[in-house]
Amino acid sequence: AQSVTQPDIHITVSEGASLELRCNYSYGATPYLFWYVQSPGQGLQLLLKYFSGDTLVQGIKGFEAEFKRSQSSFNLRKPSVHWSDAAEYFCAVAADILTGGGNKLTFGTGTQLKVEL
Amino acid sequence: DAGVIQSPRHEVTEMGQEVTLRCKPISGHNSLFWYRQTMMRGLELLIYFNNNVPIDDSGMPEDRFSAKMPNASFSTLKIQPSEPRDSAVYFCASRETGSSQPQHFGDGTRLSIL
Repeated sequence: AQSVTQPDIHITVSEGASLELRCNYSYGATPYLFWYVQSPGQGLQLLLKYFSGDTLVQGIKGFEAEFKRSQSSFNLRKPSVHWSDAAEYFCAVAADILTGGGNKLTFGTGTQLKVEL
Repeated sequence: DAGVIQSPRHEVTEMGQEVTLRCKPISGHNSLFWYRQTMMRGLELLIYFNNNVPIDDSGMPEDRFSAKMPNASFSTLKIQPSEPRDSAVYFCASRETGSSQPQHFGDGTRLSIL
């Protein structure tokens, strides 16, 4: 079964600083990987996804993530953080289950980002 | 385009009462998912449907929970009888067919059982 680890529960950065949120996954084959962001009182919004091709993927709001198979990682980055980026960030992995056409998303426990002005 | 629509946004009720949460997925999406989010357990998948058929309900906590999807545009999650430990935020998500397709989430229902 697949699993996702987000080792940082909380991260605080200054506005304008760079950001990297860590995500490690466990899955036997090539996974489908996603990053979501959740603002207070709202649902999860997709930032970006990876399923094949270029290992550096660009997302919305200036975020990017790099898939590194050798490290089983899919870290999220942003070169300059804005105060509005304060939120909780979730990494997720999906397995390609051939039967039924459906699959499960396994989420990490999330990283709460605080931005200091 | 409208996203996933959940109702109600907030529900407060007394233990023992029946609770019904509703979800309207994005038109054209074939898969629908129900999640529960709590501080202690994070995001948990309760059940998911593909083409209105329940595929995996192994995450449903117990028999007090049930979910239906009578048609492609509507799903319900019912708790009967409700208990204080059911208090959580419940999310519905939908997705097009294909494992690489992302799930789109509603804004959730914040449920408080007194």
